[in-house]
Amino acid sequence: KAGVTQTPRYLIKTRGQQVTLSCSPISGHRSVSWYQQTPGQGLQFLFEYFSETQRNKGNFPGRFSGRQFSNSRSEMNVSTLELGDSALYLCASSPGTGVEYGYTFGSGTRLTVV
Amino acid sequence: AQSVTQLGSHVSVSEGALVLLRCNYSSSVPPYLFWYVQYPNQGLQLLLKYTSAATLVKGINGFEAEFKKSETSFHLTKPSAHMSDAAEYFCAVTSRIQGAQKLVFGQGTRLTINP
Repeated sequence: KAGVTQTPRYLIKTRGQQVTLSCSPISGHRSVSWYQQTPGQGLQFLFEYFSETQRNKGNFPGRFSGRQFSNSRSEMNVSTLELGDSALYLCASSPGTGVEYGYTFGSGTRLTVV
Repeated sequence: AQSVTQLGSHVSVSEGALVLLRCNYSSSVPPYLFWYVQYPNQGLQLLLKYTSAATLVKGINGFEAEFKKSETSFHLTKPSAHMSDAAEYFCAVTSRIQGAQKLVFGQGTRLTINP
């Protein structure tokens, strides 16, 4: 069974640009969550999608957005990139919306903003 | 809101020694608790989870954790450390916002194994 696939693995962007990251969950998983990991702030929740609907959103500016498609694949977009957006972005999938299921994480996308 | 505190950002033990990574949580409702491990340049791998069943939870790679409500703790242990255990470990608790849930992570503990 394939795991959670995140593309690309590494990305370098210039300040002010926008970026789109992709996440393909485990087959049959309908919930996708996104987390940002930085050395200073640790792991912080961005948002969660279930059946194409955003169910939950973290405390991030509106420059961060996401969506989920009918096949459960998800994308997150960051517009007007800032240096502080440099981070490892992790996607996690789950069969449903209850946390008791646990989450399976992908390997992440390392975004560097220069 | 739920929160997690991991005591010790760095822990170093000798190969074969006991591993103890500490986690205390804050929650006004019965929590679900998790331990994840992260190897360099990798995502998070679930080690074990507590979901209000048995208080002693066994996970992968010989790790286990005990839920102690009176101490609001969920410490991770392994009787004998192996070199391959060197990684960063994260404790997490659920947090409910308007009916939806998310994981709230501790700051992580980097485990070093000395030969």
